[in-house]
Amino acid sequence: GENVEQHPSTLSVQEGDSAVIKCTYSDSASNYFPWYKQELGKRPQLIIDIRSNVGEKKDQRIAVTLNKTAKHFSLHITETQPEDSAVYFCAASIIQAGTALIFGKGTTLSVSS
Amino acid sequence: GAVVSQHPSRVICKSGTSVKIECRSLDFQATTMFWYRQFPKQSLMLMATSNEGSKATYEQGVEKDKFLINHASLTLSTLTVTSAHPEDSSFYICSARVSGKVAYEQYFGPGTRLTVT
Repeated sequence: GENVEQHPSTLSVQEGDSAVIKCTYSDSASNYFPWYKQELGKRPQLIIDIRSNVGEKKDQRIAVTLNKTAKHFSLHITETQPEDSAVYFCAASIIQAGTALIFGKGTTLSVSS
Repeated sequence: GAVVSQHPSRVICKSGTSVKIECRSLDFQATTMFWYRQFPKQSLMLMATSNEGSKATYEQGVEKDKFLINHASLTLSTLTVTSAHPEDSSFYICSARVSGKVAYEQYFGPGTRLTVT
């Protein structure tokens, strides 16, 4: 089955800096890669996603890149703000098969002002 | 649109008792729902895939006789933790996909915090 590795486990940045979180996946059939932000005790919130027919997607300060050959994808947050502090999870699934999302272990991002 | 609810949001039960958690899709039909468990400071671990009208598919290491899943309608799946023990204390989250189309986004419920004393 699918296995998703995520690095780093913790990341501390100064406000205004950029943050990058990286994930690798094992199943070459996976073709949907969302990123979630989770605050303590709450449900994960989708912040951006990418499908395998696209190499990069951007939404304001957030971008995701995908390298299918290397089977890795990354989340980029620019101009970080204290409210970006949370736990971020990457995930992978196979759209056509309707498989469940398999999550990475998460990255705790701390943005200090 | 695409709202998923869970009930209860928090439950405390005594060791040995059973607890039922409901997951509902409020404004869409969901042929498939998923149940995840999240321990403190850990990731969401898939427990099982719940399909309407058929038996759930459990992930390796998840006891199907302990975690009973029923998906009796297109808007409701239930997870019953039988003979709960303190090690079952966790955050249980369900998610659902919209039926009837190739859908890739999973919509998550708000989670249920289970504490077994």
